[in-house]
Amino acid sequence: GAVVSQHPSRVICKSGTSVKIECRSLDFQATTMFWYRQFPKQSLMLMATSNEGSKATYEQGVEKDKFLINHASLTLSTLTVTSAHPEDSSFYICSARKGMGNQPQHFGDGTRLSIL
Amino acid sequence: AQSVAQPEDQVNVAEGNPLTVKCTYSVSGNPYLFWYVQYPNRGLQFLLKYITGDNLVKGSYGFEAEFNKSQTSFHLKKPSALVSDSALYFCAVRDLNQAGTALIFGKGTTLSVSS
Repeated sequence: GAVVSQHPSRVICKSGTSVKIECRSLDFQATTMFWYRQFPKQSLMLMATSNEGSKATYEQGVEKDKFLINHASLTLSTLTVTSAHPEDSSFYICSARKGMGNQPQHFGDGTRLSIL
Repeated sequence: AQSVAQPEDQVNVAEGNPLTVKCTYSVSGNPYLFWYVQYPNRGLQFLLKYITGDNLVKGSYGFEAEFNKSQTSFHLKKPSALVSDSALYFCAVRDLNQAGTALIFGKGTTLSVSS
């Protein structure tokens, strides 16, 4: 149980394109979803936290107009990288958690975004 | 503020030998600690967690971790390493008193097990 599906797994696109990444919890209702960014050989950097039906809370230094997060249902959150540029190239990983208590976060397999 | 330190970028062990991947943490309240493993171009897989109770926590794939409150450590261990254990390992922490917050991760330790 506790499967998180992230799609697409890889995206290659031209600079200026907007890219949408989907994150779905397949067998549980995710009260909270998180979006992380990972640079090569580095740790996961939390970008934002989203609760279903609420606006996402962004970490300091993350541009909310650049990285649009929508958490419209308990099983789906999307991250849209708007007008992507080469510096946005990275590995993006979503995570979902059931409830607010002592539940582990479950992770998708990540999306490799490459902007040419 | 919460933080996690993984002092080793890489740990090398021979197959069959015991392994330890180190982690220390800092939280203002009570810690909620995790270990995750990541294979290339994949997301993170949950290994084990500690909330309360027995300081020795057993997890997936034969891994275990020992919580040491006085040393604020949560080292990952395995009695006998396998080549297939080679991967990137992350320690993570959350303050139990701050419900709803995300896990904060260490920078990761690459485990390399040689045959």
